Amino acid sequence: AQSVAQPEDQVNVAEGNPLTVKCTYSVSGNPYLFWYVQYPNRGLQFLLKYITGDNLVKGSYGFEAEFNKSQTSFHLKKPSALVSDSALYFCAVRAPNSGNTPLVFGKGTRLSVIA
Amino acid sequence: GAVVSQHPSRVICKSGTSVKIECRSLDFQATTMFWYRQFPKQSLMLMATSNEGSKATYEQGVEKDKFLINHASLTLSTLTVTSAHPEDSSFYICSAKGPGRLNTEAFFGQGTRLTVV
Repeated sequence: AQSVAQPEDQVNVAEGNPLTVKCTYSVSGNPYLFWYVQYPNRGLQFLLKYITGDNLVKGSYGFEAEFNKSQTSFHLKKPSALVSDSALYFCAVRAPNSGNTPLVFGKGTRLSVIA
Repeated sequence: GAVVSQHPSRVICKSGTSVKIECRSLDFQATTMFWYRQFPKQSLMLMATSNEGSKATYEQGVEKDKFLINHASLTLSTLTVTSAHPEDSSFYICSAKGPGRLNTEAFFGQGTRLTVV
């Protein structure tokens, strides 16, 4: 069975500082990994995904994530945080070739960027 | 490309009435649609998976007679909350997957905030 862990409920960072939102996963085989962001009362917006290839994935709004197979991690990072980055972030995983199975989400991490 | 539109964005209804939420894939054929429910400050809980033209598969603990899902076409799925009660108040989100390269990820609607009074 697939699972995702986001160990931090809340991450606080000062504007301009680098940010990291942690994610670890468990899946059989090579995973498909995703990060989504959710603003209040809105659906999920896609940030980036890892399917194959380079372990460092660059996505929307200056975010990036690094796939680390040995540590089964896919942490989300940004070099310089903005107040507008404050939102709820979800990591998700899917096993490859798993047909029409849904993504499995982590519980979410609330990011607060303080001016 | 790969846009999913969900309607309405928010709805308030009286207890005992039914509410229909629509999820449309605007520029691709959604072979599979998923319906999620999200409680405040919590993650998404999968309610059901529907494939076009067949009955939805509900997750354990989700009442299929209460949450009616129809996926009659490749661009539209509907979730009807029947005889709604205040405890059904929640944020409902749909997502869709398509064929080919559109199958590796899911595309999400904007969500519907349901309030039952």
